Amino acid sequence: AQSVTQLDSQVPVFEEAPVELRCNYSSSVSVYLFWYVQYPNQGLQLLLKYLSGSTLVKGINGFEAEFNKSQTSFHLRKPSVHISDTAEYFCAVTAAGGYQKVTFGTGTKLQVIP
Amino acid sequence: GAVVSQHPSRVICKSGTSVKIECRSLDFQATTMFWYRQFPKKSLMLMATSNEGSKATYEQGVEKDKFLINHASLTLSTLTVTSAHPEDSSFYICSAIGTSSYEQYFGPGTRLTVT
Repeated sequence: AQSVTQLDSQVPVFEEAPVELRCNYSSSVSVYLFWYVQYPNQGLQLLLKYLSGSTLVKGINGFEAEFNKSQTSFHLRKPSVHISDTAEYFCAVTAAGGYQKVTFGTGTKLQVIP
Repeated sequence: GAVVSQHPSRVICKSGTSVKIECRSLDFQATTMFWYRQFPKKSLMLMATSNEGSKATYEQGVEKDKFLINHASLTLSTLTVTSAHPEDSSFYICSAIGTSSYEQYFGPGTRLTVT
């Protein structure tokens, strides 16, 4: 089974500042990793995913994440945030190779301060 | 991109009644659909996995007789909350995957309020 930990429940950051949202996972097998964003009262939208290949993954809205196998991490970064980035961000993991159940982290609320 | 819709987006019902929520994949065939429940300020909790033409697989602790799931076609799955109670009030989200994708496409969610 896989698990994922998002240590920060809330991250306040000023507009145009950089941000990093942390995600660590646990698994005994190879994994696929995802970051989703959820705006209030809406479903989840995929920001980016890591399946294989380059460990630096670029997603939508200027976000990127780096897969670090030795540290079992998949932190999400953005060099300059906007007010519109205020939302809940979920890291998720699933076992690689054939579709299996996805496990979500508890989420990090990104609050961009004007 | 793949689109998943949910209907209704919001529903208010009285305690003891049943409510049906629909999840549709609009531009792809979904071999598997998932139903999640999300409590306020909490993560998504997987309730069940639904495969077209077969019985849903429920997660531990989820009452299958209370949360009826039907996946009658490759584009439609329904969740019926039977004999709803106030504690069933929540945000219900469905997702779907196609035949050759590891990515889940999420619906916009349904806010259920039981009075």
